[in-house]
Amino acid sequence: DAKTTQPPSMDCAEGRAANLPCNHSTISGNEYVYWYRQIHSQGPQYIIHGLKNNETNEMASLIITEDRKSSTLILPHATLRDTAVYYCIVRVDRSNFGNEKLTFGTGTRLTIIP
Amino acid sequence: KAGVTQTPRYLIKTRGQQVTLSCSPISGHRSVSWYQQTPGQGLQFLFEYFSETQRNKGNFPGRFSGRQFSNSRSEMNVSTLELGDSALYLCASSQDVNTEAFFGQGTRLTVV
Repeated sequence: DAKTTQPPSMDCAEGRAANLPCNHSTISGNEYVYWYRQIHSQGPQYIIHGLKNNETNEMASLIITEDRKSSTLILPHATLRDTAVYYCIVRVDRSNFGNEKLTFGTGTRLTIIP
Repeated sequence: KAGVTQTPRYLIKTRGQQVTLSCSPISGHRSVSWYQQTPGQGLQFLFEYFSETQRNKGNFPGRFSGRQFSNSRSEMNVSTLELGDSALYLCASSQDVNTEAFFGQGTRLTVV
């Protein structure tokens, strides 16, 4: 699976949009971009994933560049409860492999400032 | 429906002992994976089971083993515990291939 690069930390004011970048310049055509977050002492929580189109759900939006070498996770109205470590992961389409392995990097520690 | 359940939540063991951790996946999920999280190494993949078969294994010594039962519940075992095995052990389940994984709260193991 391709490696990802994320800034180690970011701050965002409460109520503002938090934009978390991720570089995955070696991503392959069959690799998806997944985002998880981990709030202190809890298990990672799935946020969103996509292949090449932008995606949106009730938690966040995922913007993937046209060349797919980078993406941005957007939390539209950040709250204090969004303070967590956010992980960007690229993972191959497992429809033919059945491989559940997720390779986590060091992530971005997002702090929401009151 | 209930999430992924891991038991126990906390555990203290002494060096040389062995430990068994349990994971009950979300109902209907057939894939169960295990991860180790330490401050120094971050989240590292241990192994994954699907329909009672180990499909993938991370780079851990043979002291770490696991199994999955017919009801998809999984256990992992660590034998001859070392101080460095102190970590948060996380279990994740997913319904099938290429679907998102849902994590449990983890078991925090302390080896003294």
